[in-house]
Amino acid sequence: AQSVAQPEDQVNVAEGNPLTVKCTYSVSGNPYLFWYVQYPNRGLQFLLKYITGDNLVKGSYGFEAEFNKSQTSFHLKKPSALVSDSALYFCAVSSNAGNNRKLIWGLGTSLAVNP
Amino acid sequence: DAGVIQSPRHEVTEMGQEVTLRCKPISGHDYLFWYRQTMMRGLELLIYFNNNVPIDDSGMPEDRFSAKMPNASFSTLKIQPSEPRDSAVYFCASSRDREGTGELFFGEGSRLTVL
Repeated sequence: AQSVAQPEDQVNVAEGNPLTVKCTYSVSGNPYLFWYVQYPNRGLQFLLKYITGDNLVKGSYGFEAEFNKSQTSFHLKKPSALVSDSALYFCAVSSNAGNNRKLIWGLGTSLAVNP
Repeated sequence: DAGVIQSPRHEVTEMGQEVTLRCKPISGHDYLFWYRQTMMRGLELLIYFNNNVPIDDSGMPEDRFSAKMPNASFSTLKIQPSEPRDSAVYFCASSRDREGTGELFFGEGSRLTVL
């Protein structure tokens, strides 16, 4: 069965420091990987996706993520965190196996960037 | 484009009452998704439509829930009768792409409280 895990419920980082939000997955076939961000009382917003190609994907607001097939990971990163990056981050995965592209969501990681 | 529009933003009702949530997707998006978000269960797909036709309703929790999409610019999610355990934030999302392959555009959500 397909699954996705965000092992950290919360990540705290100081403003200006690099940040990493972790995501690991398990799928049959090749993965399609996504990151979304949710600000308080708002809907989710797309950050970036990996379907194929370069393992390093660049997205919105200076975020990037690296697809690592051997470690089945897709960690979200940013070189220098901003206080405004504080939000809930969701990793999601589907795959190209079969006809079902069902998107599986992680439970989210709350990122707090401290001034 | 105005994005995905949901109404109402907040709904407080009493157990047993009918609740109707509304969604206007982004024009030109062929796919429409209804999600439910709770602290306990995270983000759950309830149902999705392609070209106004329900494709997968396996996530609809029980017969009390129903969804319709009478045309390309409007969808409803109805709960009748409502129960306290239905309290959650309900999101509508639309996309140009089938589930699990492309970017989802979320509305701001409808926060439902059933007393």
